[in-house]
Amino acid sequence: SQKIEQNSEALNIQEGKTATLTCNYTNYSPAYLQWYRQDPGRGPVFLLLIRENEKEKRKERLKVTFDTTLKQSLFHITASQPADSATYLCALDLLSGSARQLTFGSGTQLTVLP
Amino acid sequence: NAGVTQTPKFQVLKTGQSMTLQCAQDMNHEYMSWYRQDPGMGLRLIHYSVGAGITDQGEVPNGYNVSRSTTEDFPLRLLSAAPSQTSVYFCASSFAPGQGNYGYTFGSGTRLTVV
Repeated sequence: SQKIEQNSEALNIQEGKTATLTCNYTNYSPAYLQWYRQDPGRGPVFLLLIRENEKEKRKERLKVTFDTTLKQSLFHITASQPADSATYLCALDLLSGSARQLTFGSGTQLTVLP
Repeated sequence: NAGVTQTPKFQVLKTGQSMTLQCAQDMNHEYMSWYRQDPGMGLRLIHYSVGAGITDQGEVPNGYNVSRSTTEDFPLRLLSAAPSQTSVYFCASSFAPGQGNYGYTFGSGTRLTVV
């Protein structure tokens, strides 16, 4: 069956450390993989997109890797701050002809402790 | 730039009632989608559209209808509300792949309770 798994429901780290979140998937062949941030009571906010032929993408303190052989993406936040505390969602971008479906994992809740 | 606008923000329905959740975007995005989010279930795709006049079913389409008569609007209709449809509903839109930044922009959600 098809599955997207994100590591542990909650992750606590100390301010200034690097947070690493994992997204594993089975029986999918995504064209792209996306990461979103969601704060309580709000809609998800797009952070980064990485293509299947890209190994790594960076944006400021964020870094995403994508290994299509392992079927895994890692999402890193360096020099983490309490303001980074949120739920982070991994999403597989599935293309078939003109059809496009974005399928989400259940998210990892990150808390950065001051 | 308003982005993706969803109305209403909150709604309480009685079982069997029908209603339409509105979604409008002003970014000229081709792709639009509806998701529901339930505790422990993550975001699940209900219906999506790749352009005006074209819609298709997602993972959980039963009990919902959509139409896309314009690029800007993508309403979601609940035909006969059931308590199992109690959820937070999100509308999202994006450009087609290869056209600009094609991450999805989400609305702020509609919190629906069916009693």
